[in-house]
Amino acid sequence: DTAVSQTPKYLVTQMGNDKSIKCEQNLGHDTMYWYKQDSKKFLKIMFSYNNKELIINETVPNRFSPKSPDKAHLNLHINSLELGDSAVYFCASSHSGRGTDTQYFGPGTRLTVL
Amino acid sequence: GDSVTQMEGPVTLSEEACLTINCTYTATGYPSLFWYVQYPGEGLQLLLKATKADDKGSNKGFEATYRKETTSFHLEKGSVQVSDSAVYFCAVNRDDKIIFGKGTRLHILP
Repeated sequence: DTAVSQTPKYLVTQMGNDKSIKCEQNLGHDTMYWYKQDSKKFLKIMFSYNNKELIINETVPNRFSPKSPDKAHLNLHINSLELGDSAVYFCASSHSGRGTDTQYFGPGTRLTVL
Repeated sequence: GDSVTQMEGPVTLSEEACLTINCTYTATGYPSLFWYVQYPGEGLQLLLKATKADDKGSNKGFEATYRKETTSFHLEKGSVQVSDSAVYFCAVNRDDKIIFGKGTRLHILP
């Protein structure tokens, strides 16, 4: 059983389009995250949600809008895609979001904007 | 703000060599410290962690000790294998936010 799953695995699209990435976790965790990993492997947090409530929003452009319909799902919608949005996006979850918690990562979604 | 500095890669070693990947952090208070590993084409997974000073985390032959006095959490392994080839991330987590280092790519040659 996959603990944290993301779809799609690959996403290739044109500049200006709108796209969504979906994430689901079956671990019963309360907290979910979105990270962006650039071409140099640098990993930066974008958002976190705890039980459907936004906790962290790291100065991400408002073209990015996370949505959490329930605590097992955290989707990421991106409007008006730009070349600089090309990256690998990782979803993750943790039990409660506390500092000692381990985060469990999905396999990533590689987004390529042409 | 909190930050993590780890040694630049790539690091290339022969099988059975000793490994050290340095990691230092800046953070107020008493953060938890982690090493995550990313194998090719996969997401990150926890390798080990330590939640208080002098704790030693260990897993799969890797070890790291939480050194509050030097604000370090260096990753060590006595004898690396080809299967250890991956990108290793040091991370500090305080409250609800985790800050990752830039990652160190490790290549192990047979």
